[in-house]
Amino acid sequence: GAGVSQSPRYKVAKRGQDVALRCDPISGHVSLFWYQQALGQGPEFLTYFQNEAQLDKSGLPSDRFFAERPEGSVSTLKIQRTQQEDSAVYLCASSLVGRGFVAKNIQYFGAGTRLSVL
Amino acid sequence: AQSVAQPEDQVNVAEGNPLTVKCTYSVSGNPYLFWYVQYPNRGLQFLLKYITGDNLVKGSYGFEAEFNKSQTSFHLKKPSALVSDSALYFCAVRANYGGSQGNLIFGKGTKLSVKP
Repeated sequence: GAGVSQSPRYKVAKRGQDVALRCDPISGHVSLFWYQQALGQGPEFLTYFQNEAQLDKSGLPSDRFFAERPEGSVSTLKIQRTQQEDSAVYLCASSLVGRGFVAKNIQYFGAGTRLSVL
Repeated sequence: AQSVAQPEDQVNVAEGNPLTVKCTYSVSGNPYLFWYVQYPNRGLQFLLKYITGDNLVKGSYGFEAEFNKSQTSFHLKKPSALVSDSALYFCAVRANYGGSQGNLIFGKGTKLSVKP
């Protein structure tokens, strides 16, 4: 596809439900990032994949958050037992090269999934 | 600590006037800086970046940014604002050390409102 695609665009969950958010990066992009954007704030890093390897999960707020990218392409962010504080926009970004490179390292973002936990 | 500050929550300008959206940063080593724009219900769109070289960087849609090392600033500018420039603007710096090296650290954003 032409850009990063995320689904669903909107998700309403009852507190305690599990949710799964999907990201389809730009074809051929090595790096994939997940960010959380709270209302009125800038995006905050959650986790990073280089191909299928999850190299950094330092931003995941709790062990209820889990991400995978099993074949080095599509990624899924799963949140178990959702809480109200999980309400946010979850953004996915991909980049052509690994994050260790400076040149050519532009992150391209999807439109995000807006999660509302009631 | 590595961080980005956008001191203005909102900037208001009249169409046709020049605009400036401010950004200052704190990072060890060489700074790698970015500007993104976010329209309602859409993802962040890349505008421009500074890696090295000329302090004035030109980007998409007529935007440019001026890197100032002594003031640790990377202000976004446009000579003549359009109503369609109204959006949320984010400044970001690449993390240069630690286990998260290569990640982007974002400011909290500045809402630009351009009135006809």
